[in-house]
Amino acid sequence: GEDVEQSLFLSVREGDSSVINCTYTDSSSTYLYWYKQEPGAGLQLLTYIFSNMDMKQDQRLTVLLNKKDKHLSLRIADTQTGDSAIYFCAESSPSGTYKYIFGTGTRLKVLA
Amino acid sequence: ETGVTQTPRHLVMGMTNKKSLKCEQHLGHNAMYWYKQSAKKPLELMFVYNFKEQTENNSVPSRFSPECPNSSHLFLHLHTLQPEDSALYLCASSQDRGTHNEQFFGPGTRLTVL
Repeated sequence: GEDVEQSLFLSVREGDSSVINCTYTDSSSTYLYWYKQEPGAGLQLLTYIFSNMDMKQDQRLTVLLNKKDKHLSLRIADTQTGDSAIYFCAESSPSGTYKYIFGTGTRLKVLA
Repeated sequence: ETGVTQTPRHLVMGMTNKKSLKCEQHLGHNAMYWYKQSAKKPLELMFVYNFKEQTENNSVPSRFSPECPNSSHLFLHLHTLQPEDSALYLCASSQDRGTHNEQFFGPGTRLTVL
């Protein structure tokens, strides 16, 4: 079945860049998403990319998509302590009833 | 505030209890979802409702019973749960079930089964 994988933890120093990686298996994925979950809260959409794009930039966030390798990454420039959260990668694909599959989440810890 | 509220925020129950989780969305969306979030596991989709009709049940045990009386409200009825059902239960909504839809999540109910 379809699968989305992420590493569980990432630790960076304040001011550095963070890169969170994700791999997925469904080649028919049409949209790929990054969600952020802060402590005690639900997930909030950060950004998304359509599968025919390679890159999308939105302020401090850069999303890179390598469709051949089914690899998605989220780069956060000038990481701040407020960026500490769990980041979920998700994909949607038009297979069946438009499945929406999330990864395990990567817990980002920003050290002051 | 995402426009999706969940109550209660925390619930502790014994294995023989019956309880219900409630979700309400104020966004005018047509699709609503229940997810289970456990540590170190992918977010698990449990149920999907679209225009009040259940469209997906991802092999969820019958001790979880969803109910969607209208497009704004979603319930998850719980009975005879097991300790391994302890998790964060997230409700979400989206405009519809199309290919591209942003899901808006509630804060979740932290469930502990003793």
